[in-house]
Amino acid sequence: DAKTTQPPSMDCAEGRAANLPCNHSTISGNEYVYWYRQIHSQGPQYIIHGLKNNETNEMASLIITEDRKSSTLILPHATLRDTAVYYCTRAGGSQGNLIFGKGTKLSVKP
Amino acid sequence: GAVVSQHPSRVICKSGTSVKIECRSLDFQATTMFWYRQFPKQSLMLMATSNEGSKATYEQGVEKDKFLINHASLTLSTLTVTSAHPEDSSFYICSAQGPYYGYTFGSGTRLTVV
Repeated sequence: DAKTTQPPSMDCAEGRAANLPCNHSTISGNEYVYWYRQIHSQGPQYIIHGLKNNETNEMASLIITEDRKSSTLILPHATLRDTAVYYCTRAGGSQGNLIFGKGTKLSVKP
Repeated sequence: GAVVSQHPSRVICKSGTSVKIECRSLDFQATTMFWYRQFPKQSLMLMATSNEGSKATYEQGVEKDKFLINHASLTLSTLTVTSAHPEDSSFYICSAQGPYYGYTFGSGTRLTVV
């Protein structure tokens, strides 16, 4: 199955780091891992992507295991506005499209 | 950064009528655009892939005569829902491939058929 696997929901305290795991055991060697998030009734927002090395940008950090079978998205200081559904995806579709699993609903609480 | 504009954001139409949704890449050219559909509390499901200057590729189970896709330029793809029925009510999202990190999404269109 080309879909990734994520926990359905997670809670995080405001100001703390949110660590969102993802399993993508069937990913091929040249496929990137992409992370997006979706706030209710909006289109997905790009967060970060990576291939082999760990990546960091102004929004988050992405840690990819050496065997590339899993990754973790880290939001270093979660805020209430980070409450959203987070999707770990891969461009494994037959048309080069992103394939979306069910994602993780992250709730950041005060 | 790359921006994809999608219009309208919300539309209500009567059963049997047609609705057109536009997806524009504002600051880059997109040879490929993707159309997704999302039902409440579910994930995004690919409906079709739109390629500039050629026929769209539809996913299994998606009626090509009902969901008409036109990708007439490198910055515009349209999805027309023809003879809409209440079961077509959903959240439709487009995505353009390029230019930097691969995929940029529109803000989505909430279609309600009454």
